[in-house]
Amino acid sequence: GQNIDQPTEMTATEGAIVQINCTYQTSGFNGLFWYQQHAGEAPTFLSYNVLDGLEEKGRFSSFLSRSKGYSYLLLKELQMKDSASYLCAPLPNDYKLSFGAGTTVTVRA
Amino acid sequence: DGGITQSPKYLFRKEGQNVTLSCEQNLNHDAMYWYRQDPGQGLRLIYYSQIVNDFQKGDIAEGYSVSREKKESFPLTVTSAQKNPTAFYLCASSMAGPTDTQYFGPGTRLTVL
Repeated sequence: GQNIDQPTEMTATEGAIVQINCTYQTSGFNGLFWYQQHAGEAPTFLSYNVLDGLEEKGRFSSFLSRSKGYSYLLLKELQMKDSASYLCAPLPNDYKLSFGAGTTVTVRA
Repeated sequence: DGGITQSPKYLFRKEGQNVTLSCEQNLNHDAMYWYRQDPGQGLRLIYYSQIVNDFQKGDIAEGYSVSREKKESFPLTVTSAQKNPTAFYLCASSMAGPTDTQYFGPGTRLTVL
């Protein structure tokens, strides 16, 4: 199976920056997804990293280091609507995607 | 409007009864997936299907069954053999396979009494 580790909760102020770290151990690797999930709702896609490095997409950026089994999601200029759970999901060689328990981010005014 | 639908949003069943959760997509996606989410836990893959009439077990398939007779539909049956069926069930689809973005339905919250 996969081992996915990310912090349970993070709190930040509106307008600030938050970095959500994810470490993983998988049998092979075919990329890593980040999804956002608001309470009681379905997850929505944020990013997919296959190669090492930083990918920026508006206020959200995602970083990957395959050799370290490490990724992070960077949320900039935080808004109240960013309060949600953020799910890290590496894709192993069997292509069965599983998700970490998620990091609940609370944005305070 | 293209999308993926699940119904009903809330479902209650008595212990020992089988129940089928529906999942329909009109995105013309080949691949479909079923996940289960429990409080404080990540999504766990139950079954997935990459083409019609073919499906594969995920990590927690015991006590569940699926069918894929049509490209648009991937119903999940929770059988009485599933020991802890109360959970939030999410269906997803992607263009061709697991390396493509998965689009999720709104979910069905199943409570077994």
